[in-house]
Amino acid sequence: AQSVTQLDSQVPVFEEAPVELRCNYSSSVSVYLFWYVQYPNQGLQLLLKYLSGSTLVESINGFEAEFNKSQTSFHLRKPSVHISDTAEYFCAVSEGNAGKSTFGDGTTLTVKP
Amino acid sequence: DGGITQSPKYLFRKEGQNVTLSCEQNLNHDAMYWYRQDPGQGLRLIYYSQIVNDFQKGDIAEGYSVSREKKESFPLTVTSAQKNPTAFYLCASSVQGLAQETQYFGPGTRLLVL
Repeated sequence: AQSVTQLDSQVPVFEEAPVELRCNYSSSVSVYLFWYVQYPNQGLQLLLKYLSGSTLVESINGFEAEFNKSQTSFHLRKPSVHISDTAEYFCAVSEGNAGKSTFGDGTTLTVKP
Repeated sequence: DGGITQSPKYLFRKEGQNVTLSCEQNLNHDAMYWYRQDPGQGLRLIYYSQIVNDFQKGDIAEGYSVSREKKESFPLTVTSAQKNPTAFYLCASSVQGLAQETQYFGPGTRLLVL
């Protein structure tokens, strides 16, 4: 069975500082990994995903995540955050043929001026 | 614009009452999902459907029911058997319901108990 652990529930950072949101997963088979972002009182939007190939994946707004199979991790990073990055971030894992994803509990990123 | 709509935005339920949350998509996706979100917790899967007239229970289906009579619609009924229904409910869809697909989410419905 698949599971996801987001290691930090709250991450406060100052604007223009780097940030890392940590995600570990467990699965007995090959997996697909996702990061979604949720702004207050809204649904989730895909930020980036790893399916296969290069272990480093990037989003259009400067986030990146690296798939590390040996450490079963998929940490999300950004070298310099903006106030607008304040949101809740969810790591998710899917495996097998069915599109049932398991989501982590979320990490609230708060960017302070 | 293609997307997913959920209505209403807020819903109030009285004790013993069944309520139905609407989810409609015009993305021509085969698969649709219902999740429940509680504060400080991730999304938990209630029901999902990969094709019209077929659906499967997720991890927390007790006290909920769904139907999938049309490809674009996947309503969720919160029955009186659900003793703790207060939560944020999210509907999502994906192209075929495969593991590698992105899920597209609606804006959510917040259910409150009077």
